[in-house]
Amino acid sequence: SAVISQKPSRDICQRGTSLTIQCQVDSQVTMMFWYRQQPGQSLTLIATANQGSEATYESGFVIDKFPISRPNLTFSTLTVSNMSPEDSSIYLCSASDGNTEAFFGQGTRLTVV
Amino acid sequence: GESVGLHLPTLSVQEGDNSIINCAYSNSASDYFIWYKQESGKGPQFIIDIRSNMDKRQGQRVTVLLNKTVKHLSLQIAATQPGDSAVYFCAETYSGNTPLVFGKGTRLSVIA
Repeated sequence: SAVISQKPSRDICQRGTSLTIQCQVDSQVTMMFWYRQQPGQSLTLIATANQGSEATYESGFVIDKFPISRPNLTFSTLTVSNMSPEDSSIYLCSASDGNTEAFFGQGTRLTVV
Repeated sequence: GESVGLHLPTLSVQEGDNSIINCAYSNSASDYFIWYKQESGKGPQFIIDIRSNMDKRQGQRVTVLLNKTVKHLSLQIAATQPGDSAVYFCAETYSGNTPLVFGKGTRLSVIA
């Protein structure tokens, strides 16, 4: 199984600023994903982080708001840009080798004030 | 019993009883299904998975049942313990390289 480290684990940010969340996997993985989880709700996929190419975004999520990088097979970042209180949520990084279980980081709890 | 909470349905069971958590999945083309357990403040943790060519799979104290006809998945936990208290999510995917789509989740509360 892969071990995924996410940082920061939590942050409180001012509206209008941006936060970059880092996700490090302890082994090379084929696929990495970013999810958002509102309190008391399920996980919603933001995008698939593609190594060497632009991320694939789900409906309702755009690159200008959530730019994603994936420079190699073990690392990805998600930036939450120009934050508003509505962006307060838990952001989760996930990794998979395809057609197998996906592993998750501990998540980043973001509060925008 | 089972009730609908503010966000997540809740299942309350007595310690030692068996728990059954249900999930209706959305995509008839999905061929791989996973159950995750999420404790407060943590990321989802893999419990058990099943592929579409099976209808039952057993693990340690857990069993997953798949009914493709009605697109239904269930997780059975035997001899439920207080440490089983968490939110449980089913997730589905297909074709091997698509991301997981998560169900709404069920909060399991174990009464000691």
